[in-house]
Amino acid sequence: AQSVTQLGSHVSVSEGALVLLRCNYSSSVPPYLFWYVQYPNQGLQLLLKYTTGATLVKGINGFEAEFKKSETSFHLTKPSAHMSDAAEYFCAVRLFSGGYNKLIFGAGTRLAVHP
Amino acid sequence: NAGVTQTPKFQVLKTGQSMTLQCAQDMNHEYMSWYRQDPGMGLRLIHYSVGAGITDQGEVPNGYNVSRSTTEDFPLRLLSAAPSQTSVYFCATTGQGSTEAFFGQGTRLTVV
Repeated sequence: AQSVTQLGSHVSVSEGALVLLRCNYSSSVPPYLFWYVQYPNQGLQLLLKYTTGATLVKGINGFEAEFKKSETSFHLTKPSAHMSDAAEYFCAVRLFSGGYNKLIFGAGTRLAVHP
Repeated sequence: NAGVTQTPKFQVLKTGQSMTLQCAQDMNHEYMSWYRQDPGMGLRLIHYSVGAGITDQGEVPNGYNVSRSTTEDFPLRLLSAAPSQTSVYFCATTGQGSTEAFFGQGTRLTVV
């Protein structure tokens, strides 16, 4: 069964510091993996996704993630945090069942950025 | 082009009351779904639909009903609200052949 584990429910970084949000997955089939961001009182917005091909995926707002099959990981990084990056981030894996691509979400990581 | 529109944005219900959360999309997407978001649990799938007239249960369907009479609309009905249904509800759509889900702004529901 597919599942997603996000390590760390809260991460705090200084502005300009590296952002690293961790995501590990389990999947019985080659996974499709996603990172979504949720700003306060907003819906979820797709940051980036991995389907096939290049394992280093670049997304919006300077974020990127690397798919590592041997480690079953899909960690999200950004070289230099900005105050506007403060949000909650969700990792998700696709499950195809009942003729539908369902998303299985991790519990989320809330990122705080301080001056 | 509004995307995915959810109404209302906020709602307070008393235990035992019923209500319908509305979701409308103008992207002509076949797939629609409802999730609930609870602290520390991420988003969990309640019900989904692969097209008009076709619905199925997700991970946490108890206490909720859905129907899909048109491509555009996918309402979620709470039959008899319970405090355990206090949550933020999100509607999402996906186009056929696409891997990206588009989310509405959410409905924050409190059951007292």
